[in-house]
Amino acid sequence: GALVYQYPRRTICKSGTSMRMECQAVGFQATSVAWYRQSPQKTFELIALSTVNSAIKYEQNFTQEKFPISHPNLSFSSMTVLNAYLEDRGLYLCGARDTANSDYTFGSGTRLLVI
Amino acid sequence: QQKVQQSPESLTVSEGAMASLNCTFSDGTSNNFRWYRQHSAKGLEVLVSIFSDGEKEEGRFTAHLNRANLHVSLHIREPQPSDSAVYLCAVSPVTSSGQKLVFGQGTILKVYL
Repeated sequence: GALVYQYPRRTICKSGTSMRMECQAVGFQATSVAWYRQSPQKTFELIALSTVNSAIKYEQNFTQEKFPISHPNLSFSSMTVLNAYLEDRGLYLCGARDTANSDYTFGSGTRLLVI
Repeated sequence: QQKVQQSPESLTVSEGAMASLNCTFSDGTSNNFRWYRQHSAKGLEVLVSIFSDGEKEEGRFTAHLNRANLHVSLHIREPQPSDSAVYLCAVSPVTSSGQKLVFGQGTILKVYL
């Protein structure tokens, strides 16, 4: 079956430092990858959509300068949170799918705590 | 811009009673609707995807879609304590080719014995 492994599961970083999270798709081709953030007491917000061989599209309020994403092949994607501050804490989720008609398969999330 | 609202905010039911969750959306041209479940501090598990008006059943989970009323619901038959989780409604605006999911704020479901 289709699985997405996301790691680390949980991480703590000091304010002003950066952290990187990764997603590995198994059993299907991750043609599209979506990165979401669930801040405390909020629902999931889309950060950006990445499609292999296309430009990464960032949503309003999220930028490449702050959340650089790499999607080098059909099985892997990573996102870095640069210069993290308190407002960046939350659960970051990656979802991947192979075709436009398929559902996203989500990873378990990376919980970021900033201290 | 698509807005998705869920109700109730939280719901407590006894094991075996039907649990019903509601979701309203602002843009009726959206083409995909999904219900997800999120167990504590974990990722998302898709329960039901529905694209046409009417009903779709996946095991104990049944979704009802009524585009005219801008409403999609989820009914959980014979809920069990292990179904206790946050349930999220997600809508894909038609303009994004189904790529972008807009989530509601979630309904916290608690099932007791």
